[in-house]
Amino acid sequence: YKLTQPPSVSVFPGQTARITCSGDALPNQYAYWYQQKPGQAPVVVIYKDNERPPGIPERFSGSSSGTTATLTISGVQAEDEADYYCQSLDSSGTHVVFGGGTKLTVL
Amino acid sequence: EVQVVESGGGLVQPGGSLRLSCAASGFTFSSYAMTWVRQAPGKGLEWVSTISAGGAGIHYADSVKGRFTISRDNSKNTLYLQMKSLRAEDTAVYYCAKVDSSSSDPPGAFDIWGQGTMVTVSS
Repeated sequence: YKLTQPPSVSVFPGQTARITCSGDALPNQYAYWYQQKPGQAPVVVIYKDNERPPGIPERFSGSSSGTTATLTISGVQAEDEADYYCQSLDSSGTHVVFGGGTKLTVL
Repeated sequence: EVQVVESGGGLVQPGGSLRLSCAASGFTFSSYAMTWVRQAPGKGLEWVSTISAGGAGIHYADSVKGRFTISRDNSKNTLYLQMKSLRAEDTAVYYCAKVDSSSSDPPGAFDIWGQGTMVTVSS
């Protein structure tokens, strides 16, 4: 089972970045999103499709419809430049799967 | 402070074994599932294994099933990953992470991560 993300997304500061994640089991499984900056451990920025953990800026939001989950970063800032990974489960609900990751570049 | 700290990584020959540890602090370790995730150099994240809070629920990625064993000692607030029959493709940074639920079926978000420990499999 695979989760498919675009390898890269580029936006100018202040614009909106949208990163998609496609997978056949997403209609029945939650999506989670992690941000990873170079040399650092991942940080969860969205859980259960659209919930934002404490301390994560409001400009980060998530949604899911059908087989596609989307991470939206509104008003992108330079500090948001990072790799972003979606994560979910396979149809059995026991095996965790990560997407291949999307490198967000702030131009 | 809520944190997890991995240790035990290093250089090992193909076919060898290694045991990773993850020491947890700042939260009630025995109430949460825990997981291992790895990242090969320059590559993406790959889930390895998850264990439930009590240790009864365990799942492995197909790539490590039969070679790796996850376990936990709730009296010592420590998670383990015993790795055997190591291969070059097991070379990665191994992260320990806290799951925001007690169950591994299904697990929740991986909300607290360590800084990782590097495992290199090479002759």
